[in-house]
Amino acid sequence: DTGVTQSPTHLIKTRGQQVTLRCSPISGHKSVSWYQQVLGQGPQFIFQYYEKEERGRGNFPDRFSARQFPNYSSELNVNALLLGDSALYLCASSLGGGQIETQYFGPGTRLLVL
Amino acid sequence: AQKVTQAQTEISVVEKEDVTLDCVYETRDTTYYLFWYKQPPSGELVFLIRRNSFDEQNEISGRYSWNFQKSTSSFNFTITASQVVDSAVYFCALLVSGGYNKLIFGAGTRLAVHP
Repeated sequence: DTGVTQSPTHLIKTRGQQVTLRCSPISGHKSVSWYQQVLGQGPQFIFQYYEKEERGRGNFPDRFSARQFPNYSSELNVNALLLGDSALYLCASSLGGGQIETQYFGPGTRLLVL
Repeated sequence: AQKVTQAQTEISVVEKEDVTLDCVYETRDTTYYLFWYKQPPSGELVFLIRRNSFDEQNEISGRYSWNFQKSTSSFNFTITASQVVDSAVYFCALLVSGGYNKLIFGAGTRLAVHP
């Protein structure tokens, strides 16, 4: 079985630009979560989506947005990039619909903002 | 407040040594779930184990074992006879559920196993 896939693997942007990151969940999983991991820290929750609906949002500014498609893949968009947005962005998938589920992570996208 | 503390920033051991990674959590919930993930240099978080708050039975899986103690709010992870391939950053996480599932991670412990 294919695990969670993310694209691109690496990205370099300049301040003020916009970026779109993509995630495909494990086959059969309907829920996708996004996390930001700044160097040297643990991942921080950004969003969770289930059946194309936003289920939860972490403490991130409105510059961060996401969506989920009918095939359960997801995109994370970040506008007006700041230097502090440089991080590893991790996508996690879970079955969805259940109360407590294990989240399985993809390899991440490393974003560098110059 | 929900919080996970991993006080050990870095641990360095020689191959075949046993090593324990500490995790202390804070939550007001009576039902909660704890996880351990491993992050090798490639960056992907690899799921290792999940425990719920009403099952304090310790678990052993090969060279890995976990000691869950509610009385001290700890969920420690031990690697027996460590190997170079165990070198990674290990994260303890608390699952917060309230309409959606959110993992709260500790800062991680970097384990270096030297030959």
